Amino acid sequence: GNSVTQMEGPVTLSEEAFLTINCTYTATGYPSLFWYVQYPGEGLQLLLKATKADDKGSNKGFEATYRKETTSFHLEKGSVQVSDSAVYFCALGGGVFGGGADGLTFGKGTHLIIQP
Amino acid sequence: GAGVSQTPSNKVTEKGKYVELRCDPISGHTALYWYRQSLGQGPEFLIYFQGTGAADDSGLPNDRFFAVRPEGSVSTLKIQRTERGDSAVYLCASSLMGDTDTQYFGPGTRLTVL
Repeated sequence: GNSVTQMEGPVTLSEEAFLTINCTYTATGYPSLFWYVQYPGEGLQLLLKATKADDKGSNKGFEATYRKETTSFHLEKGSVQVSDSAVYFCALGGGVFGGGADGLTFGKGTHLIIQP
Repeated sequence: GAGVSQTPSNKVTEKGKYVELRCDPISGHTALYWYRQSLGQGPEFLIYFQGTGAADDSGLPNDRFFAVRPEGSVSTLKIQRTERGDSAVYLCASSLMGDTDTQYFGPGTRLTVL
């Protein structure tokens, strides 16, 4: 079945540091890949997505590239801010041949803490 | 516009009791999903509705869990004979039929079974 593995947290960085949160997946077919973010006291929000190999999703300075050869979708940001402190979830969805209508499969989440 | 809403935001119940959790999707979203998020874990898929019918209920853990969506809008997740292990945040999400990968999540209902 489908599964997502992401790096354990918490990840603590100083403001303006470079961020990488690793995510790898196992899936049948060609799923879509996502990063969701959960800010303190708020619900899950879609941060970015990519629907096919070599696609790059980007939003709010965050980027992730769909790497089929390494089954990865690592999240990166060049210069983090205190306001980026949140829990980040990597997820995969049905996409092509993956059922389309099935629910998303999430990783366990990575708690990111940015210190001023 | 209004997002996905869930009520109640918190529910405390005793072991063995019956509970109902409600989800109001975004207007016009025909796809609706329920997930369960335990502490320190990512959300786990429970059930998916397309319109009024459950298109995929493979994530429901056992027959104590049931969900309905009688008019294709509001959905209710029902848990019978609750157990302490059912304590979690129950999340609802909705999406447009043509873009089921882009799901919009509600704030969740935190269920505590004592």
